[in-house]
Amino acid sequence: GDSVTQMEGPVTLSEEAFLTINCTYTATGYPSLFWYVQYPGEGLQLLLKATKADDKGSNKGFEATYRKETTSFHLEKGSVQVSDSAVYFCALSGSGGGADGLTFGKGTHLIIQP
Amino acid sequence: DVKVTQSSRYLVKRTGEKVFLECVQDMDHENMFWYRQDPGLGLRLIYFSYDVKMKEKGDIPEGYSVSREKKERFSLILESASTNQTSMYLCASSFPGRNGYTFGSGTRLTVV
Repeated sequence: GDSVTQMEGPVTLSEEAFLTINCTYTATGYPSLFWYVQYPGEGLQLLLKATKADDKGSNKGFEATYRKETTSFHLEKGSVQVSDSAVYFCALSGSGGGADGLTFGKGTHLIIQP
Repeated sequence: DVKVTQSSRYLVKRTGEKVFLECVQDMDHENMFWYRQDPGLGLRLIYFSYDVKMKEKGDIPEGYSVSREKKERFSLILESASTNQTSMYLCASSFPGRNGYTFGSGTRLTVV
């Protein structure tokens, strides 16, 4: 079945550092890919998405490119802030159009130090 | 602002109790989902529904049931709560297709 693999962390960076969180996936067909963010004590919020190969999703300075050849969707940000501290989840929606639920990675806990 | 509302942020229940977790969305979404979130295991799909009165099992349905009598409401039921059901429960909804989901804030359930 479908699966998502991401680094679990915690990942600790200094403010203004460059961020990469790796995400690779296994799926049949052509899934859609997502990054969600969970701040402490809250539910998940959609950060960005990409629905086909070579698409780039972006939001709030974060970017991720759908790479079919490497089955990857790595999250990047050029200069992180303390407020970016959160848990980040990579997810995919299968070729069934998402009615059967997203498949999530285990989440990466990001800690940004001032 | 569109949203998914879960009725309780925190719940403490006793072993053997019947527990209802309620979720309401105001976006007219067809699809609704229940996940549980546990450290080291990420999010796991319990049940989902793509229409009123329809339900499908997810990856870990054992010990749970669901009810969807109205489009906007999706309830998760623990028939006889056990300590291994202590977890964070997240409800989500979406339109059909690949548009991403809207999540509620979660219910942290503790079974003692």
